Amino acid sequence: AQTVTQSQPEMSVQEAETVTLSCTYDTSESDYYLFWYKQPPSRQMILVIRQEAYKQQNATENRFSVNFQKAAKSFSLKISDSQLGDAAMYFCAYRTFNQGGKLIFGQGTELSVKP
Amino acid sequence: NAGVTQTPKFQVLKTGQSMTLQCAQDMNHEYMSWYRQDPGMGLRLIHYSVGAGITDQGEVPNGYNVSRSTTEDFPLRLLSAAPSQTSVYFCASSQTWGQDEAFFGQGTRLTVV
Repeated sequence: AQTVTQSQPEMSVQEAETVTLSCTYDTSESDYYLFWYKQPPSRQMILVIRQEAYKQQNATENRFSVNFQKAAKSFSLKISDSQLGDAAMYFCAYRTFNQGGKLIFGQGTELSVKP
Repeated sequence: NAGVTQTPKFQVLKTGQSMTLQCAQDMNHEYMSWYRQDPGMGLRLIHYSVGAGITDQGEVPNGYNVSRSTTEDFPLRLLSAAPSQTSVYFCASSQTWGQDEAFFGQGTRLTVV
């Protein structure tokens, strides 16, 4: 069975600085997708970035980028030029092609941004 | 475009009561699923469906039932509410499974007293 682990329950960053959120996963599959979701206080789940496992190039979306290390089963999220609006809970998620393509989530990292 | 609509947003139940959480999507997505979110545990899959008439269990299915009679709707039924079912519930849908982004509803905060 696949598992996703986020070992940092809370992180803090100064506005305009860079922060990296960690995520590791365990799987025996070779094809899968990885996602980072943001959950602000409104509770809405918002997709931040996705990575296809067969692509070696790390995904980037504006100020958000990932460091995907497939052999190490690591998928960290880097937020550059942090903004107050980045404060939220961040979830790492693994999506399998089996079992209806279920999403498996990590425990979440609460990010606070200091002005 | 409404996306994924969940109702109600908040609910308080007494132990032993039953209720149905509604979920509807207007994107013609085949794949729909229900998750519960508990502090420190992320989101855990309760049930999912890969199309009308097809449902299957996730990792925490006990105490919940689902059905999928149409592509649009995927209700979650609590048969006899227990305090352990106090949680925030999310419905999600996607075009296919695997590669596509899952779209989430706004969530339902359920308290069982």
